[in-house]
Amino acid sequence: DAMVIQNPRYQVTQFGKPVTLSCSQTLNHNVMYWYQQKSSQAPKLLFHYYDKDFNNEADTPDNFQSRRPNTSFCFLDIRSPGLGDAAMYLCATSRDSTGTSAYNEQFFGPGTRLTVL
Amino acid sequence: SQKIEQNSEALNIQEGKTATLTCNYTNYSPAYLQWYRQDPGRGPVFLLLIRENEKEKRKERLKVTFDTTLKQSLFHITASQPADSATYLCALSQGNLIFGKGTKLSVKP
Repeated sequence: DAMVIQNPRYQVTQFGKPVTLSCSQTLNHNVMYWYQQKSSQAPKLLFHYYDKDFNNEADTPDNFQSRRPNTSFCFLDIRSPGLGDAAMYLCATSRDSTGTSAYNEQFFGPGTRLTVL
Repeated sequence: SQKIEQNSEALNIQEGKTATLTCNYTNYSPAYLQWYRQDPGRGPVFLLLIRENEKEKRKERLKVTFDTTLKQSLFHITASQPADSATYLCALSQGNLIFGKGTKLSVKP
């Protein structure tokens, strides 16, 4: 089945130790997103890729970076995790031919739960 | 900036009843509004999309309405079942999607 895969499902890191979360998709969608979701909060968009074009949200901290080496894979790098970065990180994809990604449904992966000690 | 309010953090109903969840927004009406279901520890799953020129959309036991005058969307689940228990998120289009915090629905047998 076509899907969005996130690895690992659970990640524990130490305060200040860089960590990378990965996302892959078999849907061949051109748009990929990274969201941060804290307990009982709304998913918050960090950034997205429209094909190879990177789009950073204005309030995303510099501590968060992303890479998309090809259509299928996207990575979230947290350079120096703080206690406040503990959250569920969700990867999503959509197929967009209009230039406005919000007009299409998004397909989410199961998420990676990040714990910072 | 756009703010989204989902009427209550939790809604408890009896099996077989209709669940009605509310999504209100504050500023301009979005062109599109989407509803997602999220189970604990999982990613959201898309349910329905409604456009600003559509008043109502249905899918099986689900119905969504969109009232741009009231700046409100209602999400209904008819003949609710315990398996419908989950958190339901509304999301508005503003360039990208802006999600609400969700309403946690519990359907008791």
